[in-house]
This record gives sequence, C-alpha cells and structure tokens, in this order.
Amino acid sequence: DSGVTQTPKHLITATGQRVTLRCSPRSGDLSVYWYQQSLDQGLQFLIQYYNGEERAKGNILERFSAQQFPDLHSELNLSSLELGDSALYFCASSVLLAGAGNEQFFGPGTRLTVL
Amino acid sequence: GNSVTQMEGPVTLSEEAFLTINCTYTATGYPSLFWYVQYPGEGLQLLLKATKADDKGSNKGFEATYRKETTSFHLEKGSVQVSDSAVYFCALSEGNYGQNFVFGPGTRLSVLP
Repeated sequence: DSGVTQTPKHLITATGQRVTLRCSPRSGDLSVYWYQQSLDQGLQFLIQYYNGEERAKGNILERFSAQQFPDLHSELNLSSLELGDSALYFCASSVLLAGAGNEQFFGPGTRLTVL
Repeated sequence: GNSVTQMEGPVTLSEEAFLTINCTYTATGYPSLFWYVQYPGEGLQLLLKATKADDKGSNKGFEATYRKETTSFHLEKGSVQVSDSAVYFCALSEGNYGQNFVFGPGTRLSVLP
C-alpha cells in the first residue's frame, strides 16, 4: 500500500458527460501528479500541483482540469467526455525535498470507461 | 528536453532465466533514476532507485547501476519467476526538487513456467 488513495476505482459514463476523480496523497507529501494510461500501456503526464499551486503541465486537454485543495487532496475534472478518454487515470504524490530522490508514489488508479 | 528510452517489449522468458531490460536516458543535469513495476490490474510501485553516478539500486533480487558515462540504468535479475511478470518502467527526475519527472514507455515482461 503506497498510502495514496484514489476514488472511485471504476467509473462508467457516457459521451458528453463530466466526471471528477479524486486523489489523496501520502501523509506529508505536498506534490500531486496526474497521469493517463491508455491500453497501449504508456503513461502520459497530465499535470502537477505543489501545495495548492499548479507546478507543471503536460499533455492535458483543455476539456480536462485539476486542482489541489488546502488539505492537499486533488481532483481531476474531465468534461465533454469522448470514447478516447477511456483509460486508467493515476494519481501520484511526492514529498519534493531538495537533494532527495523524490520518487513518486502511485495510487491504485481509476478506470474510466466512456460508452 | 529530458527523455527515457527503454527496450521494446514484450520480453518473454522462461522461469529462472536471466533478465536484462535496457534503459538509457537524456538529461541536462544530474538526474535521479528509478525503476517502477506495474503488476496486472495495479498501480505503479517503486522497485529501486539510484540518486548519483555509480550508485546501485537493488530490491527483490533486481539490480540497476547508474552509469553516467553511458547514460544508462539497465535493470537485471539473475533468475526470474512467474510472479515477476509485469510491466517495468524506467524513469528519471531532475530539478532542484526532482520535480521534472519523465517515464519511459514501459517494457512488458512475461515469464513462463
């Protein structure tokens, strides 16, 4: 158990809908990352937050948005869903200390199916 | 920008065979290097890491040595088991706080009994 929690575990919805995925980082970790993993197994970095502020942005669509709240949990909002958005969405957290290895710890993921 | 390249899979081995999964990286500075493993239906787990040149990371019989001269971090295990079947990701982090994190594309390993 990495200490990172994600809800829900599975989500089935229809095209055009909007969903929210939730992530709680490990205790003490200030940074949260979101990734999308498609069937071909590659990990696509979406966005990173650090202590409530956006730190880095990857290949995140304009239909997607995220935020990190004062209690450090994060939410990923996906709107106007398309069939191609079906994927596993992972959240990871890291403490981000200077000079440390700063590995990321991953949650179990949310499997999104868009019908 | 930074990047990580891994050998393409899938890799299929018989139980007790020797495993090598190649990983090379491109980075502007001195990154930390990681191997993650993803078992079927699960999230990624940190397998091992190395934070400076010549460091050797090891865990569960897996090893990888940070080779700055060849910009490589190859994963090895002397005798694989069926339970090692998974997808393996090489990754690097760079920046004052390691915030620039890059994953390789992953290599799927199947170990047959």
